[in-house]
Amino acid sequence: SQTIHQWPATLVQPVGSPLSLECTVEGTSNPNLYWYRQAAGRGLQLLFYSVGIGQISSEVPQNLSASRPQDRQFILSSKKLLLSDSGFYLCAWSVMERGTQYFGPGTRLLVL
Amino acid sequence: AQKVTQAQTEISVVEKEDVTLDCVYETRDTTYYLFWYKQPPSGELVFLIRRNSFDEQNEISGRYSWNFQKSTSSFNFTITASQVVDSAVYFCALSEANAGGTSYGKLTFGQGTILTVHP
Repeated sequence: SQTIHQWPATLVQPVGSPLSLECTVEGTSNPNLYWYRQAAGRGLQLLFYSVGIGQISSEVPQNLSASRPQDRQFILSSKKLLLSDSGFYLCAWSVMERGTQYFGPGTRLLVL
Repeated sequence: AQKVTQAQTEISVVEKEDVTLDCVYETRDTTYYLFWYKQPPSGELVFLIRRNSFDEQNEISGRYSWNFQKSTSSFNFTITASQVVDSAVYFCALSEANAGGTSYGKLTFGQGTILTVHP
């Protein structure tokens, strides 16, 4: 069966510091991968998606970036965090033919 | 552009009551997929159902049922005999699809409905 992992689970970072969030998927090959952000009390906003290694599409301009160095690894990064980057970050995977996205446990990020 | 509207921000019910969560969507695609997800307090989104635009049959799964009506662009979710464990945020979502009916997987989410079930 497929599983998706995210770490860290919780992160508190100062403004201006770098960020690296990692997501890995097990039990499937060549998944579509997605990064979402959920601000407190709001819906989910798609940040990036990837259909293959090295292929990243950005949905929202911001100071975040994403990379996919391996088939089942998806990384969200920032060189300098802003207060507005605080939120709940969710990674998801899907198989294109089915389209259903399955989500990881998420990372809660607080930028102070 | 696609849009999903969940007009009910919060709903509060007493255990064993039935509750319906509304979802209205907008899309120019003739082929699309609709989803419902549950987000319990732990935060992880749990997939509940996927429905494609070709199939307007209603679906029932235990205490859960879904009413898809293309004529009104709605995909409503009903919980029968609600339980405290049903307390969560529920999201409706819409996915783009190409002409062959294969979903690209990019989801547009509604703002969510917070459901609280009191004992």
